[in-house]
Amino acid sequence: KNQVEQSPQSLIILEGKNCTLQCNYTVSPFSNLRWYKQDTGRGPVSLTIMTFSENTKSNGRYTATLDADTKQSSLHITASQLSDSASYICVVSGQAGTALIFGKGTTLSVSS
Amino acid sequence: KAGVTQTPRYLIKTRGQQVTLSCSPISGHRSVSWYQQTPGQGLQFLFEYFSETQRNKGNFPGRFSGRQFSNSRSEMNVSTLELGDSALYLCASSLMGLSTDTQYFGPGTRLTVL
Repeated sequence: KNQVEQSPQSLIILEGKNCTLQCNYTVSPFSNLRWYKQDTGRGPVSLTIMTFSENTKSNGRYTATLDADTKQSSLHITASQLSDSASYICVVSGQAGTALIFGKGTTLSVSS
Repeated sequence: KAGVTQTPRYLIKTRGQQVTLSCSPISGHRSVSWYQQTPGQGLQFLFEYFSETQRNKGNFPGRFSGRQFSNSRSEMNVSTLELGDSALYLCASSLMGLSTDTQYFGPGTRLTVL
């Protein structure tokens, strides 16, 4: 069964600290993996998209890694800011851009 | 460049009714996809339209349907509403589809079924 599991479910960190969110998937065949940030009450915003051949991609303070062999991805946030408080969702697409499988997200709270 | 717009933003319906939601994509985008988001299930893919044709479909009952017009605007219809259909419905647009294109999401329509 195609699944995407994210951990932890929620996380609280102090402003300025780094954190890493995890995503494990069983989707096969695999096309690409995306990370989205969703602020409360708003639609998700794309952070990174990685294909099978890519193992790291950055977007400012956000760095995503992908290990297609172990079917694991991580999202690393550097020097967190209060505005990073949001839900982070991992999404995996099967081959040829077929339906997307979503993880349930990690809720990050950054406090001052 | 204007973003993805969805109307209405909020909607209250009763069980058994039907509802139509509208999505206007970013200008030039030909792919529109729809998603349901609930606290229990998270985000789930409903379907994708490209050039007026449904190209991909998620695992939802036939009560959920959609269409896309020649100007790429899309509508989603839910018939015979059930309490469990209460959710945030999001649409997203992209240039060519779900492969490696960046999806741009709208703000969503919050549907409450009483």
